[in-house]
Amino acid sequence: EAEVAQSPRYKITEKSQAVAFWCDPISGHATLYWYRQILGQGPELLVQFQDESVVDDSQLPKDRFSAERLKGVDSTLKIQPAELGDSAMYLCASSFGLAGYPSYFGAGTRLSVL
Amino acid sequence: DAKTTQPNSMESNEEEPVHLPCNHSTISGTDYIHWYRQLPSQGPEYVIHGLTSNVNNRMASLAIAEDRKSSTLILHRATLRDAAVYYCILSKDRDDKIIFGKGTRLHILP
Repeated sequence: EAEVAQSPRYKITEKSQAVAFWCDPISGHATLYWYRQILGQGPELLVQFQDESVVDDSQLPKDRFSAERLKGVDSTLKIQPAELGDSAMYLCASSFGLAGYPSYFGAGTRLSVL
Repeated sequence: DAKTTQPNSMESNEEEPVHLPCNHSTISGTDYIHWYRQLPSQGPEYVIHGLTSNVNNRMASLAIAEDRKSSTLILHRATLRDAAVYYCILSKDRDDKIIFGKGTRLHILP
């Protein structure tokens, strides 16, 4: 069964360093999402891509976060510089991008900022 | 955006059916009802979705009220592996964006 791949699974970094997360969606899925999940809360949508274009990044802290999906396939989420409050699970999801179709999630990257 | 209301937590005994309720009184005619669940230390997992009619799949059943203002996720025979946070989510027509609320934490008692 096809899966959304994310790497790394775990990342420990120091405050003010740069970090990057990678996501490879299910083949053929036009829509890709990045979510952030703080422990004990539901996932929060950060950015939505339709192919290579950003559809919604209203909740992305653009002073330090950036996301790209250059060829409309895999995607990278970057944080520079990382802050203590960025410690969370970062989840990637993909879907066909059509109403009523489900989204499929990766296992996530657990970020710890020291 | 239409919102959903779910109980914070529920308990059920192993091997018994579980009915997880969700209220969505401001749902619009083209909103889909989705259910996802998240097991500990994993990403969310799609469970089921529907528009107007009841739906069944290998994981669960979705019962949608006639006025669509509420729905119920039914796990027919709960196992310990069903212990998770269950999210009821509405998505709009032409936008399959999934916005999570707080969900219901389901505890399964052996």
